[in-house]
Parts: sequence; structure tokens; C-alpha cells
Amino acid sequence: KNEVEQSPQNLTAQEEEFITINCSYSVGISALHWLQQHPGGGIVSLFMLSSGKKKHGRLIATINIQEKHSSLHITASHPRDSAVYICAVGIQGGSEKLVFGKGTKLTVNP
Amino acid sequence: NAGVTQTPKFRVLKTGQSMTLLCAQDMNHEYMYWYRQDPGMGLRLIHYSVGEGTTAKGEVPDGYNVSRLKKQNFLLGLESAAPSQTSVYFCASRDTGYNEQFFGPGTRLTVL
Repeated sequence: KNEVEQSPQNLTAQEEEFITINCSYSVGISALHWLQQHPGGGIVSLFMLSSGKKKHGRLIATINIQEKHSSLHITASHPRDSAVYICAVGIQGGSEKLVFGKGTKLTVNP
Repeated sequence: NAGVTQTPKFRVLKTGQSMTLLCAQDMNHEYMYWYRQDPGMGLRLIHYSVGEGTTAKGEVPDGYNVSRLKKQNFLLGLESAAPSQTSVYFCASRDTGYNEQFFGPGTRLTVL
């Protein structure tokens, strides 16, 4: 079983829809990261969080440490949000490494 | 600042050839990482470095070697390329005590 599981694997939405991507993990973590990867492109960090909730523009990330679960929400989705969204966790215990989920491919249609 | 850069962006090799991928960062970060990304799989760590002159194995180190002679550069070497090493390679770096990683644009490597 992977240490980091994302759902769904693929998601298609219409413009303006509210989108939720989920991430569950099975290990103790120091922090959880949400990353975005555009087609053919590089990877950028969206959020890093260890508790609660963070918001940046139309993106909101939440984490529930007790349930080992995080969600990434996109409000009023737009075709430019089409990308792969990747959840990654920093393993608790001083490790410098991240463990990555397989990603969720989001397509937002106009 | 250029951030994290990778050279080359694309490369095609024949089986058995060798090559070196260069990662450079201008943010004075201590930690640097090499990942590979394959279809249907998450990013996987090949090797990493926690400072100049140090390297350590990640999840999939076989067939690769690395060096960090200068703090700003992290080199990934393939001594004898195999088709199984066809992948997109990403380099990343981060500062001490701050977990966000900054990624390079990637290198697409094809081994025939």
C-alpha cells in the first residue's frame, strides 16, 4: 500500500465548478505539500501545511492530522486550473525526504 | 534569481552510453534532490544531498551516481544507460528548516 494515496486519479469539471481533491497518508508527517504540474511543465509548490487551513486566491488546502487526511479545494474553477495536482508528505522523524502521491489530473472545460 | 535550472532539457541516448545531468540553484539552499517521474507513478527519489560534499541514496538509486562538489550544483550521472532509465528527471532544492522544495523544469531522457 502506498504511503500517500490521492483521489480521484482523474477529474473533469466544467468551468466555475467547485473542485475537491483528496489525499490520505499512513505515516506520521512533519508537513504536507500540495504541488501543481502543468502539462509538459515544471512543478510548483502551492501549499505547505502541518495543521488547519491555508488559502491562496481560489485555492484552499486543509489538513486533519488525526484523520491523516488533506483536501485541496478550487473555487470557481477555470480552464487554466487544468493540471496535475500532487500531494506529498514530509516524513516525521527528521527525514529530509518527501513521499509523493501519484497525482490527480484535473481538466476544466470551458 | 534563476531559481533551479537543469541542463539539458532533452536528451536521447543509446543503451550503454553515459551522460551527466546538471542541476544548479542560486538560492544558497543546503538540500538538493534528484527525482524521476514515470507515467502512473509518483515522483521517486533517486539521490539527495544535505550539504556540499554529501550525498545519500533515495528510493531508486541503482544505475545512478551523484556528486555535490559545490553547494550550488548537484550532478546526476548515468554510467551505462538502460531503456528502464527513460524518464523525466527533476531536480529540487530547499533551505534548512524550511520544507518547501523548489523544482527545476525537468529533463526528458530517452534511452533507446
